[in-house]
Amino acid sequence: GAVVSQHPSWVICKSGTSVKIECRSLDFQATTMFWYRQFPKQSLMLMATSNEGSKATYEQGVEKDKFLINHASLTLSTLTVTSAHPEDSSFYICSAKTLRFYNEQFFGPGTRLTVL
Amino acid sequence: TQLLEQSPQFLSIQEGENLTVYCNSSSVFSSLQWYRQEPGEGPVLLVTVVTGGEVKKLKRLTFQFGDARKDSSLHITAAQPGDTGLYLCAGGKLIFGQGTELSVKP
Repeated sequence: GAVVSQHPSWVICKSGTSVKIECRSLDFQATTMFWYRQFPKQSLMLMATSNEGSKATYEQGVEKDKFLINHASLTLSTLTVTSAHPEDSSFYICSAKTLRFYNEQFFGPGTRLTVL
Repeated sequence: TQLLEQSPQFLSIQEGENLTVYCNSSSVFSSLQWYRQEPGEGPVLLVTVVTGGEVKKLKRLTFQFGDARKDSSLHITAAQPGDTGLYLCAGGKLIFGQGTELSVKP
């Protein structure tokens, strides 16, 4: 149980284009999903908290107009990187929180974004 | 602001050796989680510790939560190459430690 999927697992795009990444909780309902960014050999940096049916909460320094988050259902959140630039290249990971107990998060496998 | 300090940040050992990774804070946490992440994959939850002084074992991995719930440790006995990866502690409002990059050489 508690499986989270992400799609695509990797994507290469041209500078200036937009890329959408999907995060799904496969066997549970997630009222809250989180989006992280991770640079090589570094820890996870929280970008935003996505709540079903409401606007996402962005961390300080994260541009909400550049990283659009939509949490349309209890099993799906999407992150759209708009007008991507090479500096947006990174590993993006989502996680979902269950209502079971103790703030446990379950992570997706991540999406490697490369902007040329 | 809650912070988690993890140490060491890098660890390279030989197969069969023991090691301990520490996760410290000046803040009290209601729970702490330990994750392991392999390159190109998302973190995988290893354990959640909740009670001060709690000790949990997962095969060769032993996790301990400090009595005051401000720190935690992960001890690996007889490390194997398959233990190689990035170990992360996390707690509170989605706060992660800096991570410990472990490399176990055969």
